[in-house]
Amino acid sequence: AQSVTQLGSHVSVSEGALVLLRCNYSSSVPPYLFWYVQYPNQGLQLLLKYTSAATLVKGINGFEAEFKKSETSFHLTKPSAHMSDAAEYFCAVSVDQAGTALIFGKGTTLSVSS
Amino acid sequence: KAGVTQTPRYLIKTRGQQVTLSCSPISGHRSVSWYQQTPGQGLQFLFEYFSETQRNKGNFPGRFSGRQFSNSRSEMNVSTLELGDSALYLCASSHNTDRVYGYTFGSGTRLTVV
Repeated sequence: AQSVTQLGSHVSVSEGALVLLRCNYSSSVPPYLFWYVQYPNQGLQLLLKYTSAATLVKGINGFEAEFKKSETSFHLTKPSAHMSDAAEYFCAVSVDQAGTALIFGKGTTLSVSS
Repeated sequence: KAGVTQTPRYLIKTRGQQVTLSCSPISGHRSVSWYQQTPGQGLQFLFEYFSETQRNKGNFPGRFSGRQFSNSRSEMNVSTLELGDSALYLCASSHNTDRVYGYTFGSGTRLTVV
């Protein structure tokens, strides 16, 4: 069985500060891991995904995530937060690279203050 | 190219009624997945269709059903609506197991059951 835990339902940072959103997974098979972002009243947008090609994954909008098997983690980071980064972020795990039947974490709301 | 289109965007139904939601995938995409998003349960996988066949199914009661047409458009139906069915229903499409882009989500249909 697969599961995802996102630590912290709400994270607040100042503009220009480091963004760190935490995600831990549980999987009985090699996982495929994803980070999605959701803006108010919109669907989900894929930020990046881990498909075993490289442990450090770079995504859109300056985000990146590192897969650490020993820690079963896939934390999302961005060196410098921008006001436009304020949104809800979801970590998810899937059985395949495309992201079929995604199992999502509960989400983390990121607030960015000026 | 056009994204994933979901109609209607908003819907209000009465408890006990049934509802049908529609999803038009990106042109050329043959896999369509449906998700339910609620504040309490978060994002949960409903089912996935490929070439008019249901390939995966989440843990939802039989009141939730779906289908896919030969043009890949998909509908989901919820019968005997309950208050707890109020949610944002998201559809996502993919070119089968798209190893590069994965699934693209629509903006969702927000269903309110009164």
